[in-house]
This record gives sequence, structure tokens and C-alpha cells, in this order.
Amino acid sequence: NAGVMQNPRHLVRRRGQEARLRCSPMKGHSHVYWYRQLPEEGLKFMVYLQKENIIDESGMPKERFSAEFPKEGPSILRIQQVVRGDSAAYFCASSPPGGLTEAFFGQGTRLTVV
Amino acid sequence: QKEVEQDPGPLSVPEGAIVSLNCTYSNSAFQYFMWYRQYSRKGPELLMYTYSSGNKEDGRFTAQVDKSSKYISLFIRDSQPSDSATYLCATLTGTASKLTFGTGTRLQVTL
Repeated sequence: NAGVMQNPRHLVRRRGQEARLRCSPMKGHSHVYWYRQLPEEGLKFMVYLQKENIIDESGMPKERFSAEFPKEGPSILRIQQVVRGDSAAYFCASSPPGGLTEAFFGQGTRLTVV
Repeated sequence: QKEVEQDPGPLSVPEGAIVSLNCTYSNSAFQYFMWYRQYSRKGPELLMYTYSSGNKEDGRFTAQVDKSSKYISLFIRDSQPSDSATYLCATLTGTASKLTFGTGTRLQVTL
């Protein structure tokens, strides 16, 4: 039973490029959450998605960031026109319905903007 | 004021010591209190969670919540070098769709 799979594990982008981060939830999990972790800081909530629906995007920056969880395939966190301040570790978690206490995290994607 | 406060450490203890990790929180609506362990360059791993006040024990780990003082603790008995990691506390209301994390405490258990 594979856990939450994130890829790529490391991503380097130049300023102004686009970054696409992928997350495949655990088998049987239909809820996906994205968190961002800056150096020496805790995890900050970004967005909560179910299949084809954004449930809570209160933590997403208003510009350049978007997320989706299509009917088929992984969840995608997309960052357009990246800036150096976007450099961070991005973690995805998945859970069964109503089960944040049963959420599992992936290993993260470390984005470096040069 | 942050909703969840946690001393970043680092905290260094000798092998076999009892470790006490603590967080305070400000939102009375929080009902679930979680502890995660995060090894360097890895994802957080849930250790245990408690609902409302009280204690919960799992092996060498004990989680404690005091809602009257808004204080949560994790105790590690007989600490091992393999316990060296960052420990994150997190909170959750009954209806929320997101976890609120502390900044994490870095623990180093030395031989």
C-alpha cells in the first residue's frame, strides 16, 4: 500500500518560470491538502481539495498560485512566474472523508528558485 | 500572536533522558491536538493525537492536553538517538479543514 506520492522531490526553476508539483493520494483517500514549509518555520496550510472541487483555499496566495484535483490523475499545485520567495518545501497530505486525524503526508517537493 | 506557539529549540538531551516538548495555543475552539515527528528532509509523520483534555500514552510517548491553560505537551521516556528529529504540534477544530501547526522543536538525543 503505497503512501502519499509527491513528485518531483526536488525542482529547480529560474525566476519567471512555472512550477508544477504533483501529489498522488493514498489509495482510498479522496481528500488532498497542500502545505508550505519555509526554512525554520512550521507548515502553513494552502488549500484543501476533493476530486474536482476546491473546498478551502484560504491559505493560497491570491496571485500566481492555483491547485486542482481532477477526476483522474494526481493533484497539481501550480505556481506561475516563480520568485525567489517561493523557494520552500511543499507538502501534500491525503485523508479519507472527514479524517484529518488520519491524514498522511508525502515526502514533499523542495522547490528552489534561482 | 500566532495561534500555536512552540519553542524552536534546539533541545539536546543525553540518551535515556525524559524529554518534554510543549506548545501553547490561543483558540479555544481547538478540539484535536496532534504531535508529528519530522526527520530532516522528510515529510511529517503523525505520532499521536488527543481529543479535548487529558492524557494519551503510546509506548514511550505520552501526550497531554490542558485546555484550561491552553497547553499541550509531549513526553518521551527513555529517549533514543533515533528520536532526534523536529517535533511539530498541530491543532484542529471539530469542523475545520486545516491543521494549524507550531513552528516545531528540534530535538537532538546524544549518545
